[in-house]
Amino acid sequence: AQTVTQSQPEMSVQEAETVTLSCTYDTSESDYYLFWYKQPPSRQMILVIRQEAYKQQNATENRFSVNFQKAAKSFSLKISDSQLGDAAMYFCAYGGTSYGKLTFGQGTILTVHP
Amino acid sequence: DTGVSQDPRHKITKRGQNVTFRCDPISEHNRLYWYRQTLGQGPEFLTYFQNEAQLEKSRLLSDRFSAERPKGSFSTLEIQRTEQGDSAMYLCASSPTTGYYGYTFGSGTRLTVV
Repeated sequence: AQTVTQSQPEMSVQEAETVTLSCTYDTSESDYYLFWYKQPPSRQMILVIRQEAYKQQNATENRFSVNFQKAAKSFSLKISDSQLGDAAMYFCAYGGTSYGKLTFGQGTILTVHP
Repeated sequence: DTGVSQDPRHKITKRGQNVTFRCDPISEHNRLYWYRQTLGQGPEFLTYFQNEAQLEKSRLLSDRFSAERPKGSFSTLEIQRTEQGDSAMYLCASSPTTGYYGYTFGSGTRLTVV
């Protein structure tokens, strides 16, 4: 079974600065997908960024980028130029090639200080 | 059709009562998923449907839980004889059959068992 671990329960960052959230996972599959989701308080889960394991190039979406290290089974999220609206719970998730369920980590609460 | 809709948003019930939640997916999505999220934790997969067929069930889905998607459109999740441990956010998501593009979560139903 796949597992996803987020070892940082909480992180904080000053507005306009950069923060990196960590995620490691375990799988025996060679092809899979990794995701970062954002969940603001009492609001729905929103996809931040997606990485396909067969792609060596790290995914980037505006201020959000990942550092995908397949051999190390590591998938970190870097948020540049942090904004107050980035404050939320962030979840790392794993999806297999059956395109079914996602396996989530425990989450990291991100606080952005003005 | 702008997203995944869940009803009700909040439900408070007494221990031992039965509750039913509804999820309306994005209309063109064949797959529908149920997750459970306890406070401060990541979502845990419960079950998913492709059209009306229930393809996978988690061992978390005890005998007191049942999910249906009778016509391949909306889905219901019923919990019988609720227990305090059932208190959680129940999330629904939907996606196309292939790939994770468009995998969309609803806002969830928060269940409190008193």
